[in-house]
Amino acid sequence: EAGVAQSPRYKIIEKRQSVAFWCNPISGHATLYWYQQILGQGPKLLIQFQNNGVVDDSQLPKDRFSAERLKGVDSTLKIQPAKLEDSAVYLCASSLVWISNSPLHFGNGTRLTVT
Amino acid sequence: RKEVEQDPGPFNVPEGATVAFNCTYSNSASQSFFWYRQDCRKEPKLLMSVYSSGNEDGRFTAQLNRASQYISLLIRDSKLSDSATYLCVVNLMDSSYKLIFGSGTRLLVRP
Repeated sequence: EAGVAQSPRYKIIEKRQSVAFWCNPISGHATLYWYQQILGQGPKLLIQFQNNGVVDDSQLPKDRFSAERLKGVDSTLKIQPAKLEDSAVYLCASSLVWISNSPLHFGNGTRLTVT
Repeated sequence: RKEVEQDPGPFNVPEGATVAFNCTYSNSASQSFFWYRQDCRKEPKLLMSVYSSGNEDGRFTAQLNRASQYISLLIRDSKLSDSATYLCVVNLMDSSYKLIFGSGTRLLVRP
């Protein structure tokens, strides 16, 4: 089975610029997550989708971050404008079923450096 | 209190040693528990789910203690390849059923 695909793998931008990340989950997985992982910390949930609806975005800095999951498959996460503290790895994950013991499957992540 | 807490370590052990990590969680209604492994500069990968009665997978044993609200991971006969960060994951039993990660425990296995 193909895994979670993410692109790009790396991105370097200057502060105040914009950036977008893309994620394609495992086929058939209804739930999609975006996590932010800052060096030395555990992944922090930014937003969670069930099909194409947002289940939770309580930790998403909505003044600068946005995400969508059109048609309930692919998803994009955007940062506009970026700040230095946004430097992190952005991980996309998917799971088969929501509200179950269904584990997360992660993509390789996008490593963002904001200078 | 953090929702999920782990000792960051590092735990530095010799090959062949037995090592155990604990992870405490704040929400007594949590129902789903996992251990993930993360290698340096890689994505987290599922190591094992944690079941109420405890479960074992080869050298790895996971336990759940609901009364004290913690889960544990025991690694027997440590290998050099076990060196990694071990992340505890717990669901929040709110309307969104969020899966929350601990900050991880780093394990270093030395020859």
